[in-house]
Amino acid sequence: DQQVKQNSPSLSVQEGRISILNCDYTNSMFDYFLWYKKYPAEGPTFLISISSIKDKNEDGRFTVFLNKSAKHLSLHIVPSQPGDSAVYFCAAKAGNYQLIWGAGTKLIIKP
Amino acid sequence: GAVVSQHPSWVICKSGTSVKIECRSLDFQATTMFWYRQFPKQSLMLMATSNEGSKATYEQGVEKDKFLINHASLTLSTLTVTSAHPEDSSFYICSARRTGGLYEQYFGPGTRLTVT
Repeated sequence: DQQVKQNSPSLSVQEGRISILNCDYTNSMFDYFLWYKKYPAEGPTFLISISSIKDKNEDGRFTVFLNKSAKHLSLHIVPSQPGDSAVYFCAAKAGNYQLIWGAGTKLIIKP
Repeated sequence: GAVVSQHPSWVICKSGTSVKIECRSLDFQATTMFWYRQFPKQSLMLMATSNEGSKATYEQGVEKDKFLINHASLTLSTLTVTSAHPEDSSFYICSARRTGGLYEQYFGPGTRLTVT
């Protein structure tokens, strides 16, 4: 039973364009969401988060949008850069500070 | 800030031996640390939640006697894989939540364990 879903295993985007990574969740009790970036053979790096009381949070090139009625969040990266090529995970906060993770989306930035 | 280290970064051991992996928060205190396992091309699998000064909480299906977790201080948690077998070979990653912080977890670089 996947409570956090990232339905696109991979995404290819031209350098300079916008990358949009999507995430859906099923549990309406989730109230905090996070995005992480991961390179091979490294631990994930925290990117940006959003509380369920907001619908948008922006940090530099990264913006996260939350649509609670649709139980959907997305991460926008603009402009996309070669160093953005990585696997992106979305996560939702569960009890005891645990995070429920999506399966990840591999983002490939083409020159 | 929020740097987490893991040691060793990679280890090869023989079947039947035990291996200890350390996870340290270098510039913050972490009441709660988490241990994950990642299989190739798969997402992170939470193994256990480690709270300083108390017993770890293990996820369903994770053998607590095989994966011993000790969180003896606010900056150090250890994972010991006892009587390792080849199927324990994996990438183990720890994360730490800053004491008094929100829900962000800061991850270590991971430890590649190979059991021969």
